[in-house]
Amino acid sequence: DAMVIQNPRYQVTQFGKPVTLSCSQTLNHNVMYWYQQKSSQAPKLLFHYYDKDFNNEADTPDNFQSRRPNTSFCFLDIRSPGLGDAAMYLCATSRDRGAGGYTFGSGTRLTVV
Amino acid sequence: DQQVKQNSPSLSVQEGRISILNCDYTNSMFDYFLWYKKYPAEGPTFLISISSIKDKNEDGRFTVFLNKSAKHLSLHIVPSQPGDSAVYFCAASGIDGGSQGNLIFGKGTKLSVKP
Repeated sequence: DAMVIQNPRYQVTQFGKPVTLSCSQTLNHNVMYWYQQKSSQAPKLLFHYYDKDFNNEADTPDNFQSRRPNTSFCFLDIRSPGLGDAAMYLCATSRDRGAGGYTFGSGTRLTVV
Repeated sequence: DQQVKQNSPSLSVQEGRISILNCDYTNSMFDYFLWYKKYPAEGPTFLISISSIKDKNEDGRFTVFLNKSAKHLSLHIVPSQPGDSAVYFCAASGIDGGSQGNLIFGKGTKLSVKP
């Protein structure tokens, strides 16, 4: 089945220690997104790739970076995680920008200790 | 400032009755609206959508109504089933809505359907 896969499902990292979350897709979609969702909050878009074109949201902290080495994979790098970065991180894809429905992965729950 | 608002954090409904989940938006440039359903420990899954040129879209037990003048949409589930218990997110997008067509989400409403 075509899908969006996020690894790991749960990640525990130390305060200030770099961490990478991964996302892969078999849908061959052009656009990949990273959302951050904190408890009882709306999922918040961090950035997205339209093919190789990186688009950062204006209020995404510099601490968050992303890489998309090919169509299938996209990574979220947090250079120096703080306690406030503990959240669910959701990866999503869409066929095209503004194409409406996204396909989400199951998310990675990040804990910072 | 929240562009998509779901003012009810939770809703409890008896099995077989109608569930009505509400969503308001502030950006008049949004032209596409979606509802996502999320179970615990899973990612959101697409449920139903509506374009701004329509005021109603129906898919089985799920109907979404759009009132553009009021900037309000609602999701009706009838009859409600215990398996519908989940968090429901309202989302909106619009190429000219300042979001590059990306989805802007509400905070979600947790629906509990009691047997």
